[in-house]
Amino acid sequence: QQQVKQSPQSLIVQKGGIPIINCAYENTAFDYFPWYQQFPGKGPALLIAIRPDVSEKKEGRFTISFNKSAKQFSLHIMDSQPGDSATYFCAAVTQGGSEKLVFGKGTKLTVNP
Amino acid sequence: NAGVMQNPRHLVRRRGQEARLRCSPMKGHSHVYWYRQLPEEGLKFMVYLQKENIIDESGMPKERFSAEFPKEGPSILRIQQVVRGDSAAYFCASSSDTLPEAFFGQGTRLTVV
Repeated sequence: QQQVKQSPQSLIVQKGGIPIINCAYENTAFDYFPWYQQFPGKGPALLIAIRPDVSEKKEGRFTISFNKSAKQFSLHIMDSQPGDSATYFCAAVTQGGSEKLVFGKGTKLTVNP
Repeated sequence: NAGVMQNPRHLVRRRGQEARLRCSPMKGHSHVYWYRQLPEEGLKFMVYLQKENIIDESGMPKERFSAEFPKEGPSILRIQQVVRGDSAAYFCASSSDTLPEAFFGQGTRLTVV
């Protein structure tokens, strides 16, 4: 049973575009939602995270939007650059519990020059 | 503060041999996760450990795979009698008791020949 559904599987945008990656979760006990960025041959790196008490969080060109009632959250990359080309994973976890971090299946983003 | 350290970075084993993958979590982290990743695929959960305890091993194959996180020393993922299908990148992540952020190592790329 996949608890976090991520879409699209792949995404191609032009430089300067705003790619949007969407995730939906099922477990209402999740209360922490991080995003990870992974370059080929590297480990996933924590990019940005949000808790459900806020609807939006920005860090630089990266923004997470969170809709608690719909159990959905999304990553927006403003003014995307070729260097943003990577695979992005959303995740969810229950803080303080003995639950594992649950990942979406990933979105491969390509930003063309 | 060193990050999550995994070694070796690359490991080649012949079919039937044993593979031992090591993970030293970040200082102060007592939670360790192991994930497996096939090329162009997502992160597949294997096992979640806290010091001296296996919390969730629902993603571990029932045979040949084992994991430990002793009181002293790194976490070890052990694969006995490796087969070609075990070839993958294995990532370790760690987190603390107080903060939910999980940080990944650079992975061990296992090749079974």
